[in-house]
Amino acid sequence: RKEVEQDPGPFNVPEGATVAFNCTYSNSASQSFFWYRQDCRKEPKLLMSVYSSGNEDGRFTAQLNRASQYISLLIRDSKLSDSATYLCVVNMAASGTYKYIFGTGTRLKVLA
Amino acid sequence: EAGVVQSPRYKIIEKKQPVAFWCNPISGHNTLYWYLQNLGQGPELLIRYENEEAVDDSQLPKDRFSAERLKGVDSTLKIQPAELGDSAVYLCASSSAGADTQYFGPGTRLTVL
Repeated sequence: RKEVEQDPGPFNVPEGATVAFNCTYSNSASQSFFWYRQDCRKEPKLLMSVYSSGNEDGRFTAQLNRASQYISLLIRDSKLSDSATYLCVVNMAASGTYKYIFGTGTRLKVLA
Repeated sequence: EAGVVQSPRYKIIEKKQPVAFWCNPISGHNTLYWYLQNLGQGPELLIRYENEEAVDDSQLPKDRFSAERLKGVDSTLKIQPAELGDSAVYLCASSSAGADTQYFGPGTRLTVL
């Protein structure tokens, strides 16, 4: 089992739709969680951190479920500009240090 | 504020040749990361520096890859000799002490022929 798993997609959704992605992680000692956005041939950029209580930033909502070891990202009222790859990132503790593990990413295409 | 700077942006070399990538992190960021990203995959950590010290190089293929960050600022990643399978995007990222947010540079796209 991979340490961080994501459905690669693509998710093709019409403008205005709501779409959700999940990401599962294997290490129960994982400490922090993030969603990054990566546009085609560009570098990843932080979209939002994910907190235990869940957090929301405009049309984006992130949730953490420690019991089931997954995080989610919900995008409401999708825009064409939301088309990108969404990378799940987990900070895993290992051998007294830590490591950021990236998922393979989920591709989203918002269609006009 | 200037972002993470990487050069070159693109590099095409023949196999068995050496290649080097350079990274200048955001000013004041003491943590520097080198990642490798293959098409359709997420970034994979090669090495992480805290100031001058390489604190995690467990994923760095040390037979052909080397890295340095001599003054705790700029960093260089080298491959010698390059193999066909090294074709990928090499990303540099930095973060400030104790912070989780990583800021990525634009990457160097390496093609090995």
